[in-house]
Amino acid sequence: DAKTTQPTSMDCAEGRAANLPCNHSTISGNEYVYWYRQIHSQGPQYIIHGLKNNETNEMASLIITEDRKSSTLILPHATLRDTAVYYCIVHSGTYKYIFGTGTRLKVLA
Amino acid sequence: KAGVTQTPRYLIKTRGQQVTLSCSPISGHRSVSWYQQTPGQGLQFLFEYFSETQRNKGNFPGRFSGRQFSNSRSEMNVSTLELGDSALYLCASSLEGGGRATGELFFGEGSRLTVL
Repeated sequence: DAKTTQPTSMDCAEGRAANLPCNHSTISGNEYVYWYRQIHSQGPQYIIHGLKNNETNEMASLIITEDRKSSTLILPHATLRDTAVYYCIVHSGTYKYIFGTGTRLKVLA
Repeated sequence: KAGVTQTPRYLIKTRGQQVTLSCSPISGHRSVSWYQQTPGQGLQFLFEYFSETQRNKGNFPGRFSGRQFSNSRSEMNVSTLELGDSALYLCASSLEGGGRATGELFFGEGSRLTVL
């Protein structure tokens, strides 16, 4: 499974869009990009995933570059409850997920 | 629909003891995976089970073991506990078993183990 690189931390003003980048330059053709978040030592929560097309659900949007070497998770209107560690993972179905260090997002009032 | 249930939520053990943690997956989910989370190492994959078979294992010593029962419930065991085993142990279940890349994981709240 390919590794990912994310910024250690980011701040975002409440109500603004939070854009969380992820680099996965070694991703292979059959690997999906997944995003999870973990709020203060709770279990991680699934957010969204995609292969090569942009995806949107009720929580977020996922933008994957055409070469698939990077992606951005967008929380369109961040709230204080979105303060969490966000993990970007690439996964090819090998029955295990490799979590990196994630991005600690702090939403500021 | 009930989520992933892990027991116990908190426990304290001393070095040399052993511990067994339990995980009940979401109904209908046949895959259960385990992760260890520590401040220094982050989230690390331990092992994954599907239909009572271990399909993948992370880089942990043999003191860490697990099993899955016919009802998909899983247990993990750590023997001869060391101080470094203090961690949050997370269980996750998946409907497709992770074999297909679209199988997202549903995590429990974890079991926090403290080794003194």
